[in-house]
Amino acid sequence: KAGVTQTPRYLIKTRGQQVTLSCSPISGHRSVSWYQQTPGQGLQFLFEYFSETQRNKGNFPGRFSGRQFSNSRSEMNVSTLELGDSALYLCASSPTGAHSGANVLTFGAGSRLTVL
Amino acid sequence: SQQGEEDPQALSIQEGENATMNCSYKTSINNLQWYRQNSGRGLVHLILIRSNEREKHSGRLRVTLDTSKKSSSLLITASRAADTASYFCATVLTGANSKLTFGKGITLSVRP
Repeated sequence: KAGVTQTPRYLIKTRGQQVTLSCSPISGHRSVSWYQQTPGQGLQFLFEYFSETQRNKGNFPGRFSGRQFSNSRSEMNVSTLELGDSALYLCASSPTGAHSGANVLTFGAGSRLTVL
Repeated sequence: SQQGEEDPQALSIQEGENATMNCSYKTSINNLQWYRQNSGRGLVHLILIRSNEREKHSGRLRVTLDTSKKSSSLLITASRAADTASYFCATVLTGANSKLTFGKGITLSVRP
């Protein structure tokens, strides 16, 4: 069974640009969550999608957005990049979501974004 | 703000010793989970303990949960160099559509 796949693994952008990251969840998983990980702030929840609907959202500015497709694949977009957006962006999938009973998250390897 | 806070922030032990990591949280939880992260990689789920459970075991891992003190501990017995990683506790709050919230993690170094 294939794991959670994130692309690209590494990317470098400059301030003001925008970036799109992709996540393919485990087959059959309908919930996809995104997290930002930085040394200073740790793991911060961005948002969760379930059946193409955003079900939960963290405290990030509107520059951070996402979507989920009918095949459960998800993308997140960051517009007008800032230096502080440099981070490891992690995607995780689960059958129905973290809050549902004893569901656990299966993480991808992450996309490391560097903003210059 | 972080729901879970791990203690200590860093731990260095000799191979074969036991490693104990603690996590405290602030509000009522549905369950608490521990994850491991090897340097710069994704997180791997280790163990989940529900709010009505007090102790769980999985191989060399033992997790306890004290809901009255809002705390949990993760014990790794007979540690190995391969256990070197960051360990995170994560909580799911009670209530619908609650997300999984992570602490800042504990860096464990196991010296060969």
